[in-house]
Amino acid sequence: GAVVSQHPSWVICKSGTSVKIECRSLDFQATTMFWYRQFPKQSLMLMATSNEGSKATYEQGVEKDKFLINHASLTLSTLTVTSAHPEDSSFYICSASYAGSNQPQHFGDGTRLSIL
Amino acid sequence: GNSVTQMEGPVTLSEEAFLTINCTYTATGYPSLFWYVQYPGEGLQLLLKATKADDKGSNKGFEATYRKETTSFHLEKGSVQVSDSAVYFCALKGLANAGGTSYGKLTFGQGTILTVHP
Repeated sequence: GAVVSQHPSWVICKSGTSVKIECRSLDFQATTMFWYRQFPKQSLMLMATSNEGSKATYEQGVEKDKFLINHASLTLSTLTVTSAHPEDSSFYICSASYAGSNQPQHFGDGTRLSIL
Repeated sequence: GNSVTQMEGPVTLSEEAFLTINCTYTATGYPSLFWYVQYPGEGLQLLLKATKADDKGSNKGFEATYRKETTSFHLEKGSVQVSDSAVYFCALKGLANAGGTSYGKLTFGQGTILTVHP
């Protein structure tokens, strides 16, 4: 149980295009979803927290207009990297959690984004 | 604020050796503690968790005990296998009584690379 699917797993695109990444909880209702960015050989950096039906809460230093997050349902959140540039290339990982203060986050397999 | 400190890696062991990866934390209130494992090119998988003091989490031969007195959650395995080679992350989750913006968020350690040789 508690499976999180992330799509696509790998994307390469030209500079200036926008890329949408989907995160789905397949067998549970995710009241909260999280988006992380991970640089090579480093830990995860939390970008934003989204609750279903409300605006995402971004961490300090994360550009809201660059990284658009939508959490329209209890099973789907999307991250759109707008007008992507090479410096946005990274490994993006989502996680989902259901209600309960001691419930773990369940992670997707990540999306490798490469901007040329 | 909350923080997690893991022992620096990389850790290199021979198969069947004993593993310890140290993890200590600083947090307000009584957080839940987790160990996650990340295999190359993949996301994180929950390995084990503990939600209160003296709880022991265990899974796949790995164990960790929530020690409030030493604010630690060290990961151990008695006999590692080549397939255990991965990056291990210790993490804590803020609770409601911590207040502020920490509720529900995971704070990760820097990760420890484990390589097990045959």
